[in-house]
Amino acid sequence: DTAVSQTPKYLVTQMGNDKSIKCEQNLGHDTMYWYKQDSKKFLKIMFSYNNKELIINETVPNRFSPKSPDKAHLNLHINSLELGDSAVYFCASSSVGRDTGELFFGEGSRLTVL
Amino acid sequence: GENVEQHPSTLSVQEGDSAVIKCTYSDSASNYFPWYKQELGKGPQLIIDIRSNVGEKKDQRIAVTLNKTAKHFSLHITETQPEDSAVYFCAADRGGADGLTFGKGTHLIIQP
Repeated sequence: DTAVSQTPKYLVTQMGNDKSIKCEQNLGHDTMYWYKQDSKKFLKIMFSYNNKELIINETVPNRFSPKSPDKAHLNLHINSLELGDSAVYFCASSSVGRDTGELFFGEGSRLTVL
Repeated sequence: GENVEQHPSTLSVQEGDSAVIKCTYSDSASNYFPWYKQELGKGPQLIIDIRSNVGEKKDQRIAVTLNKTAKHFSLHITETQPEDSAVYFCAADRGGADGLTFGKGTHLIIQP
């Protein structure tokens, strides 16, 4: 069974559209994340979500909104897509507490905005 | 916030030789330093990690060293094999809400 799964794997869309990426983890973790990986492979955190609290990275435009229906799911919705949003988006999860460490990543969703 | 610098950005070694990737961090409060390997088309996977109360850790052909005073840590891969070819990321975590701060990655190429 896949530990962290995200869909779709590929997404091609036009500027101005709204799209969502879904993420589910079956590891029983309490904390989930979204990371953005740009064309230079740089990994940057966008959000972390512990089932009680959403931590928003202030550099992320408010066109990006995470939604967590329960602690096993963290979806990413993006409004009014721009060319610069093209990237690979990774969902990840970890167990409770900041000291535990290991992040389990999904396989990524490659978003291309035309 | 934390800033992690990683070098080199690309490293090419002959199969069987050793590879070393180095990282520095800025925040002395960081206490957890993992290394992730990302193969083409996949998400990053943890390969080894070290906490600030330890100076060195080894797992088969992979070892990590940490110098807290100098704020740097390194990944050492011995007897490199073709399957070691990937992008490697170092990261630092100070236990806050920002999660892991990653270095910019090193593309390791193992030449046959």
